[in-house]
Amino acid sequence: KQEVTQIPAALSVPEGENLVLNCSFTDSAIYNLQWFRQDPGKGLTSLLLIQSSQREQTSGRLNASLDKSSGRSTLYIAASQPGDSATYLCARSGTYKYIFGTGTRLKVLA
Amino acid sequence: NAGVTQTPKFQVLKTGQSMTLQCAQDMNHEYMSWYRQDPGMGLRLIHYSVGAGITDQGEVPNGYNVSRSTTEDFPLRLLSAAPSQTSVYFCASSTPGSGANVLTFGAGSRLTVL
Repeated sequence: KQEVTQIPAALSVPEGENLVLNCSFTDSAIYNLQWFRQDPGKGLTSLLLIQSSQREQTSGRLNASLDKSSGRSTLYIAASQPGDSATYLCARSGTYKYIFGTGTRLKVLA
Repeated sequence: NAGVTQTPKFQVLKTGQSMTLQCAQDMNHEYMSWYRQDPGMGLRLIHYSVGAGITDQGEVPNGYNVSRSTTEDFPLRLLSAAPSQTSVYFCASSTPGSGANVLTFGAGSRLTVL
């Protein structure tokens, strides 16, 4: 069974820290790896998408990397802010189907 | 563009009742899917479609039906609601195979089955 695991499940940090969120997957034959943000009671917002031919993507303070050989992706958040508090989910896709991790709940303290 | 639109946002049903959750997208996406999100379980795929007239089962399809008569619409039908179907349901769409294969989500539909 294809699985996606996210570690840690929850994280609480003071404002200004640099963070690394981890995502691991069991099937290296992925098509894309996508990171999402979900605020409480809301839908999912796409943050970054890494295609299988790419190694990383960057958007502002966010950087996501992909290592297919080890089955891992990391989301790096620089200089965290209270507004970054949310749940972060990663999802791997084959040709059509996306498999989600259970997410990392991040709380950034002011 | 509206993106992915889900209705209703909230619904309360009694056990045994049936209902349809609506999902529409205006991005001409080929791929559409339904997920349910439960505490501690993450998002689980219920059904998906790779184009009009083509649907397939996901991880948790029992108790749900789908159809895809148009590119834009992908309704999810609950045949006989059960308390175990209390959840938040998300519809999502994308265009597989393109460089912009970004999965776009609707705002969700919160369903309570009594």
